[in-house]
Amino acid sequence: NAGVTQTPKFQVLKTGQSMTLQCAQDMNHNSMYWYRQDPGMGLRLIYYSASEGTTDKGEVPNGYNVSRLNKREFSLRLESAAPSQTSVYFCASKHYEQYFGPGTRLTVT
Amino acid sequence: QKEVEQNSGPLSVPEGAIASLNCTYSDRGSQSFFWYRQYSGKSPELIMSIYSNGDKEDGRFTAQLNKASQYVSLLIRDSQPSDSATYLCAVSSSGSARQLTFGSGTQLTVLP
Repeated sequence: NAGVTQTPKFQVLKTGQSMTLQCAQDMNHNSMYWYRQDPGMGLRLIYYSASEGTTDKGEVPNGYNVSRLNKREFSLRLESAAPSQTSVYFCASKHYEQYFGPGTRLTVT
Repeated sequence: QKEVEQNSGPLSVPEGAIASLNCTYSDRGSQSFFWYRQYSGKSPELIMSIYSNGDKEDGRFTAQLNKASQYVSLLIRDSQPSDSATYLCAVSSSGSARQLTFGSGTQLTVLP
């Protein structure tokens, strides 16, 4: 039982490049979430999916898109990366309580 | 805007002491309350959840909730150096998706 997994662990992008962060959970949870964490800003919700087939914007959705591929997988896409998107990204899934993946550290130069 | 406020710290306590971490929230409709521990460079780890007024104890950890005062706290008894981490308070919204709103965290250092 791996819980929530994320790939990649680290990534460096140049401004304007695109990439997709992958997240999968094996806990049969309906809800999945993407957060970013910046120093002094805490965890901020980017997008969430309350159930398979639905996605909704969170607090900071600009510059991101998501896909809930199936019940297990929820991906986050940066279409044109900007330095302001340098952050640590966490995926989480929830039944009653929310559990986090190990995170992706992204640097945009 | 739903807000969750925590003392930013840093908070230092000697080994064996009680560490007290506090959190206030603005949404009176909040239903569920969580404490996460985050070690440097790691992901948040759920350590306590509390849903009703009063105290909930789990080992050395006690969560306290007072919905009338919109206040939730975490007490760590017999603090150990391994408890040194950032503690995040999270509050579940009253909306259908029950998203979590996080405080910015309190950094705790337990001194040997």
